[in-house]
Amino acid sequence: DTEVTQTPKHLVMGMTNKKSLKCEQHMGHRAMYWYKQKAKKPPELMFVYSYEKLSINESVPSRFSPECPNSSLLNLHLHALQPEDSALYLCASSSGTGNQPQHFGDGTRLSIL
Amino acid sequence: ILNVEQSPQSLHVQEGDSTNFTCSFPSSNFYALHWYRWETAKSPEALFVMTLNGDEKKKGRISATLNTKEGYSYLYIKGSQPEDSATYLCASPNSGGYQKVTFGTGTKLQVIP
Repeated sequence: DTEVTQTPKHLVMGMTNKKSLKCEQHMGHRAMYWYKQKAKKPPELMFVYSYEKLSINESVPSRFSPECPNSSLLNLHLHALQPEDSALYLCASSSGTGNQPQHFGDGTRLSIL
Repeated sequence: ILNVEQSPQSLHVQEGDSTNFTCSFPSSNFYALHWYRWETAKSPEALFVMTLNGDEKKKGRISATLNTKEGYSYLYIKGSQPEDSATYLCASPNSGGYQKVTFGTGTKLQVIP
């Protein structure tokens, strides 16, 4: 069982909908991440939170809005997405140092109609 | 921007065969090298984190070596089993701070019974 829990596992939404992806970890990790993964491509970093503050935004369009309500939770709010945003969205957490691995959730498979 | 490359892209081996694949990364400003195994419909799972030149790590039938001077790491699987079928990703943090990690494109291994 993964120690990082993501919900929902699957999400289908229209381009005018608003939805949120959720991620939770209870390992006491200080860093949490959102990645986007398209078929046959590596995970692509979107956002990094460190100590509940946004530390990295990889020039992600504003239709993706991250939120870190507390040290265990990470949300990704979605609004007015485009069909090309259909992908697997992975959440990860880590101690925040490069000599420790990242722990991933199972991901949310997102389809935009 | 880090450029992390993996080869081959995909690999088919017979059960019982040993195999290996390569991850190459820039040798300047090296901090660490991560290996992950990603099985279909599961989350990526950390295998190794390697930091020292000449490092060799082992986990069951899987082992990895690291050469930071020339910028490569090898992953070896001895006596491949069908359950080893997965995509193997390597990744390198850009720094030790916020662990902004760049992933390679992965090697997809299929072990044929």
